Amino acid sequence: DSGVTQTPKHLITATGQRVTLRCSPRSGDLSVYWYQQSLDQGLQFLIQYYNGEERAKGNILERFSAQQFPDLHSELNLSSLELGDSALYFCASSPGQGRNEQYFGPGTRLTVT
Amino acid sequence: AQTVTQSQPEMSVQEAETVTLSCTYDTSENNYYLFWYKQPPSRQMILVIRQEAYKQQNATENRFSVNFQKAAKSFSLKISDSQLGDTAMYFCAFMRNFGNEKLTFGTGTRLTIIP
Repeated sequence: DSGVTQTPKHLITATGQRVTLRCSPRSGDLSVYWYQQSLDQGLQFLIQYYNGEERAKGNILERFSAQQFPDLHSELNLSSLELGDSALYFCASSPGQGRNEQYFGPGTRLTVT
Repeated sequence: AQTVTQSQPEMSVQEAETVTLSCTYDTSENNYYLFWYKQPPSRQMILVIRQEAYKQQNATENRFSVNFQKAAKSFSLKISDSQLGDTAMYFCAFMRNFGNEKLTFGTGTRLTIIP
């Protein structure tokens, strides 16, 4: 158990819908990262937050957005869903302040039908 | 941009044997970190080992060790005395050393340990 929690574990929804994925980092970790794992794209970085502020953006679609709240949990919002958004979405956290190893949550499996 | 290449899509080895997974990377950075992550059938991503580029000594974690060749931009993972629980996808990952940075992953190697 990495200490990073993600909910829900599985999500099945229809095209055009909107979903929210939730992540709670390890206690004390300030950085939260979101990654997408799909069969055709592999593991790709989406976005990073550090202590509530957006820090870096990767290949994140405009239909996707995220935020980190004062209690450091983070949410990834996916809207206007398409079949190609079906993937495993991981959240990872790291302590920051010179310690950079990232610990991953169990992931949310999103299926868009 | 950094790239990470894992040229072995699949490997298999008998239980108790030693296996080496290959990884090469491309970067113009001098300071960076390299990681190996394991993804078993449960799909959980588990950190296996970490190497700082400025350290010449190869990292070791129990049965897992790396061979880091900075000039060649090579970062292989050796698993000794392989166990059935080592069956998993293994991902090599790169991180720049500019504070907390994203991970750039390779495409992975599927390792099967044969009883």
